[in-house]
Amino acid sequence: AQTVTQSQPEMSVQEAETVTLSCTYDTSESDYYLFWYKQPPSRQMILVIRQEAYKQQNATENRFSVNFQKAAKSFSLKISDSQLGDAAMYFCAYRRWDSSYKLIFGSGTRLLVRP
Amino acid sequence: GAVVSQHPSWVICKSGTSVKIECRSLDFQATTMFWYRQFPKQSLMLMATSNEGSKATYEQGVEKDKFLINHASLTLSTLTVTSAHPEDSSFYICSAREQNTQYFGPGTRLTVL
Repeated sequence: AQTVTQSQPEMSVQEAETVTLSCTYDTSESDYYLFWYKQPPSRQMILVIRQEAYKQQNATENRFSVNFQKAAKSFSLKISDSQLGDAAMYFCAYRRWDSSYKLIFGSGTRLLVRP
Repeated sequence: GAVVSQHPSWVICKSGTSVKIECRSLDFQATTMFWYRQFPKQSLMLMATSNEGSKATYEQGVEKDKFLINHASLTLSTLTVTSAHPEDSSFYICSAREQNTQYFGPGTRLTVL
């Protein structure tokens, strides 16, 4: 069975600086999807970024980018120019390349942004 | 695009009563929706997969007779917590699938007295 590990329960970053959140996963499959979701205090889960495993190019969305290392099974999220509104729980998630569409979530990393 | 709503956002009920939570995809059709439960400071736990026009698929350990799921249309899935008890108090979140991505509703906080 696949597992997703987020080893950093909490991270802190100064406003305007860059922070990287770590995520590793375990799978024997070659095709799959990876996601980062953000959950602010409102508890609304928001999609941050998505990566298809067959794509070598790292996904980017404005200030958010990933470092996808398939061989190492690593999927870290980099947030540049951090803003106060980035403070939230961040969950890494894995989805198999099948018709179940189920997500397997990591335990989450709480990001604090210092003004 | 890809907006999912949930209603109600907060509900308090007495022990032994039933509560229905609605999940709607507002700007897309979703053949598959998901129901999660989240305890404080924890990750999301998948309860069941809801497929339009067919029976839901429940995860191991989830009581299907207690958590009734109906997905009657391509934009609506409902979760009914039957004979609710205080241990059912939690934050329930739904998501709807659009192509290869799940989009989440804002969640429903259930408190059972």
